[in-house]
Amino acid sequence: DSGVTQTPKHLITATGQRVTLRCSPRSGDLSVYWYQQSLDQGLQFLIQYYNGEERAKGNILERFSAQQFPDLHSELNLSSLELGDSALYFCASSVGSLGTDTQYFGPGTRLTVL
Amino acid sequence: GDSVTQMEGPVTLSEEAFLTINCTYTATGYPSLFWYVQYPGEGLQLLLKATKADDKGSNKGFEATYRKETTSFHLEKGSVQVSDSAVYFCALSDTGSTLGRLYFGRGTQLTVWP
Repeated sequence: DSGVTQTPKHLITATGQRVTLRCSPRSGDLSVYWYQQSLDQGLQFLIQYYNGEERAKGNILERFSAQQFPDLHSELNLSSLELGDSALYFCASSVGSLGTDTQYFGPGTRLTVL
Repeated sequence: GDSVTQMEGPVTLSEEAFLTINCTYTATGYPSLFWYVQYPGEGLQLLLKATKADDKGSNKGFEATYRKETTSFHLEKGSVQVSDSAVYFCALSDTGSTLGRLYFGRGTQLTVWP
């Protein structure tokens, strides 16, 4: 158990819908990262937050947004969903935001868009 | 841009065989290098890491040495077990900045038979 929790574990929805994925980091960790894992793209970095502020953006679509709240949990919002958004979404946390900091991954949320 | 290339799988070995999974990287700065392992249905777990050239990361019998001259971080284990069956990901982050985002390889599926 990494100490990072993600809810829900599975999500099945229809095209055009909007969903929210939730992540609680390990106690004491200030950074939260979101990654998308799909068969065709592999593991792709989406976005990073550090202590409530956006720190870096990767290959995140404009239909996707995220935020980190004062209690440091984070939510990833996916809207106008398309079939191609079906993937495993991982949240990771680390104590700081440096490249040397180990990232601890949650179990993931599997999103299926029908 | 920064990237990681790791050998394609799947890799199938008998128990007690020697394992090597090749990983090479391209980076503009001075990255930290990581190996993560993903067991079926689970999130990624850090296996080992190295933060500077010539560092050797090791854990659970696995080893990898950060080779700057060959831009490589190959994973090795002298005697694999059935329980090592999983997907292995090589990853890098750029320590030249305060961004901790990880760039992942495509993953190598390892199956160990008794």
